[in-house]
Amino acid sequence: GAGVSQSPRYKVAKRGQDVALRCDPISGHVSLFWYQQALGQGPEFLTYFQNEAQLDKSGLPSDRFFAERPEGSVSTLKIQRTQQEDSAVYLCASNQGAGEAFFGQGTRLTVV
Amino acid sequence: AQRVTQPEKLLSVFKGAPVELKCNYSYSGSPELFWYVQYSRQRLQLLLRHISRESIKGFTADLNKGETSFHLKKPFAQEEDSAMYYCALPYTGFQKLVFGTGTRLLVSP
Repeated sequence: GAGVSQSPRYKVAKRGQDVALRCDPISGHVSLFWYQQALGQGPEFLTYFQNEAQLDKSGLPSDRFFAERPEGSVSTLKIQRTQQEDSAVYLCASNQGAGEAFFGQGTRLTVV
Repeated sequence: AQRVTQPEKLLSVFKGAPVELKCNYSYSGSPELFWYVQYSRQRLQLLLRHISRESIKGFTADLNKGETSFHLKKPFAQEEDSAMYYCALPYTGFQKLVFGTGTRLLVSP
């Protein structure tokens, strides 16, 4: 596709439910990033992939958060046992390894 | 630690007025800095980066290492400039971006 695609655009989860957020990066982009953006804040780094390798997961807030990119293209961010503080917009971005990162529209997660 | 500070949450100006969105950073090395913009209902997109020294949509930003600032400026604001603006600092080989909290620019007619 022409840009980074994320699905779903909106997700409402009951507290304790598991969720999976999908990111389709720009074709051929080696690097893929996940960010979390809480209301009124800037995006905060969660994790980074280079191809299928997860090179940095230092931003994941707890072991309930897990990300994968098994074939080096599509990535999934999974959150287990969601809590209210997980409510945020989750942004995916990709680039060719350096320079400008191209962002998706984001998934707005609301935990009730 | 790397940090980006945008002190203003909201900047409201009239059309045709000059605009300056402030950004200060904390970084021990030689920084590469970006401004990202998010228009209403659109995705976050790169506005400009200091290394390219371009003027995009009339906006410019100069890196001031002495003041550790990268303020975004435009001499005459337009209504279509209304958006959220984020200053960002990449580090560890562009593997991460550290963002400021953003400034909402509102340009009134």
